[in-house]
Amino acid sequence: AQSVTQLDSHVSVSEGTPVLLRCNYSSSYSPSLFWYVQHPNKGLQLLLKYTSAATLVKGINGFEAEFKKSETSFHLTKPSAHMSDAAEYFCVVSEDSGYALNFGKGTSLLVTP
Amino acid sequence: EAQVTQNPRYLITVTGKKLTVTCSQNMNHEYMSWYRQDPGLGLRQIYYSMNVEATDKGDVPEGYKVSRKEKRNFPLILESPSPNQTSLYFCASRGAPYNEQFFGPGTRLTVL
Repeated sequence: AQSVTQLDSHVSVSEGTPVLLRCNYSSSYSPSLFWYVQHPNKGLQLLLKYTSAATLVKGINGFEAEFKKSETSFHLTKPSAHMSDAAEYFCVVSEDSGYALNFGKGTSLLVTP
Repeated sequence: EAQVTQNPRYLITVTGKKLTVTCSQNMNHEYMSWYRQDPGLGLRQIYYSMNVEATDKGDVPEGYKVSRKEKRNFPLILESPSPNQTSLYFCASRGAPYNEQFFGPGTRLTVL
């Protein structure tokens, strides 16, 4: 079964500095990978997805992620953090069927002024 | 507007009192699922449904039931809720394999 590991449970950055949220996956084949964001007291919103096209994926709000098969990683980055980026971020892998999702445990991003 | 709706959004109940959380989607999606979210554990799948009258257990199905009599609706039933089912619940739907999964706004359940 596919699984993901988010390497940091909490990340704190200053406004205007780069963001790096790390995610490693395990899969027996080339998986579909997603990043979702959850703002406080809100539902989940898709940031971006990788489905075996370009390895560098651009998402909403200036986020992007790079699929690295050799490192089994799918790290999320943003060049310059904004206060509104403070949220919980989930790295997600699609199961073999393509339907079910396996979620990482989440990374809480704190952005300080 | 394409969306997944859940009701109620907030619910406080007592141990043993049966409850149902409704979920409905207007995107004609075949696949629907329920998750629970607990601090430090991410989202864990409770049940899923590949189509009408086709449901199956996810990772944490104990204490829950579901039904899928219509394509758009996928209610979650707690026959005898217990305090360890206090959680934030999300319903989701998906139209095709490997595509984006759309989530409802969540239902915060407290069982006393």
